[in-house]
Amino acid sequence: SAVISQKPSRDICQRGTSLTIQCQVDSQVTMMFWYRQQPGQSLTLIATANQGSEATYESGFVIDKFPISRPNLTFSTLTVSNMSPEDSSIYLCSVGPFRAGAQYFGPGTRLLVL
Amino acid sequence: DAKTTQPPSMDCAEGRAANLPCNHSTISGNEYVYWYRQIHSQGPQYIIHGLKNNETNEMASLIITEDRKSSTLILPHATLRDTAVYYCIVRALNSGNTPLVFGKGTRLSVIA
Repeated sequence: SAVISQKPSRDICQRGTSLTIQCQVDSQVTMMFWYRQQPGQSLTLIATANQGSEATYESGFVIDKFPISRPNLTFSTLTVSNMSPEDSSIYLCSVGPFRAGAQYFGPGTRLLVL
Repeated sequence: DAKTTQPPSMDCAEGRAANLPCNHSTISGNEYVYWYRQIHSQGPQYIIHGLKNNETNEMASLIITEDRKSSTLILPHATLRDTAVYYCIVRALNSGNTPLVFGKGTRLSVIA
């Protein structure tokens, strides 16, 4: 398994601003994934981040809105740009694969945009 | 990855076994069944996975039918701390570099 931390754990932001979320893993991992969980909803994948290459975004998510960095095998950042209230969500970092393809998740970052 | 169907919610009395069903009738031969849970305000937590044999670990047991079209996650002695949304996910073992896709899951409420 892996121990994953995220910073900040929560934030309240004004519309039009940007927030960068950090994800740190205690071991080297091949793949890092970023998910969004809107209030009362399930998890939705934003993008996949592989070290040394551009992130791959899912339909409905674009790099200009959610730029991602993956400078090494233990760290990644997700920026939520030009925020609006609709961006209020929990943002989760996930890593894998581990034994038999399991994925592990960070504690999440709770974002409220006013 | 095959699609799964779970009941939206279930209740269970504290101390009793919680049996959470999952249908995955289109599962392929190389696809595993994974279970995760998400306790309120936390990230999803891996519970268990299996291919065709029943599996047990310190958290739960996984019973997979012989035709592999359905499975049941069993929490043998549910506690209030087991209240969470439980997700059943089916995917191929060699898709480890692709992310998990979450459905709506089952919201389990453990009642004192």
